Amino acid sequence: KQEVTQIPAALSVPEGENLVLNCSFTDSAIYNLQWFRQDPGKGLTSLLLIQSSQREQTSGRLNASLDKSSGRSTLYIAASQPGDSATYLCAVRWNRDDKIIFGKGTRLHILP
Amino acid sequence: NAGVTQTPKFQVLKTGQSMTLQCAQDMNHNSMYWYRQDPGMGLRLIYYSASEGTTDKGEVPNGYNVSRLNKREFSLRLESAAPSQTSVYFCASRANRGYVYEQYFGPGTRLTVT
Repeated sequence: KQEVTQIPAALSVPEGENLVLNCSFTDSAIYNLQWFRQDPGKGLTSLLLIQSSQREQTSGRLNASLDKSSGRSTLYIAASQPGDSATYLCAVRWNRDDKIIFGKGTRLHILP
Repeated sequence: NAGVTQTPKFQVLKTGQSMTLQCAQDMNHNSMYWYRQDPGMGLRLIYYSASEGTTDKGEVPNGYNVSRLNKREFSLRLESAAPSQTSVYFCASRANRGYVYEQYFGPGTRLTVT
């Protein structure tokens, strides 16, 4: 069964620290992996998308990496700010399948 | 370009009532999706449509029906609402830009079934 797992479920860190969020998936034959941000009571905003042929993608203070062989992706946030507080979700699409499966998310709280 | 729109934003139903959630996208995307989001459960796929005229079940399809009316619109129907269907419902569509397939989400519909 294709599953996506995010650990930890919640994380609190002081402002200014660098941090890493983890996403793991079963079945390494993925097509792509996408990281989203969700603020309380709001929809999802796409942050980064990594194709299966790529190792990483960067946008500002965010860097997402992909290691297909180990079934893992990480989202690195540099110099965290209180405005980064949100839930971060990863979603995986597998080859020859239009379904996209989400992890349950990591709820991030940046302490001022 | 409004992206993905959903109506209504909020809805309260009594058990046994029916309703249809509407979703539309103006980005000319082929694929559209319906998810529900519950506390501690993340987003779970209800149904998806890879193209106009086709629909497929996701992880939690029971109690729901969908219609891909045309390329723009994908509706979700609850025939006989149950309290277990209290949730936030998100519609999404997926871009086809070369080989890059990125999902875009609507703002959500908050449904309460009493």
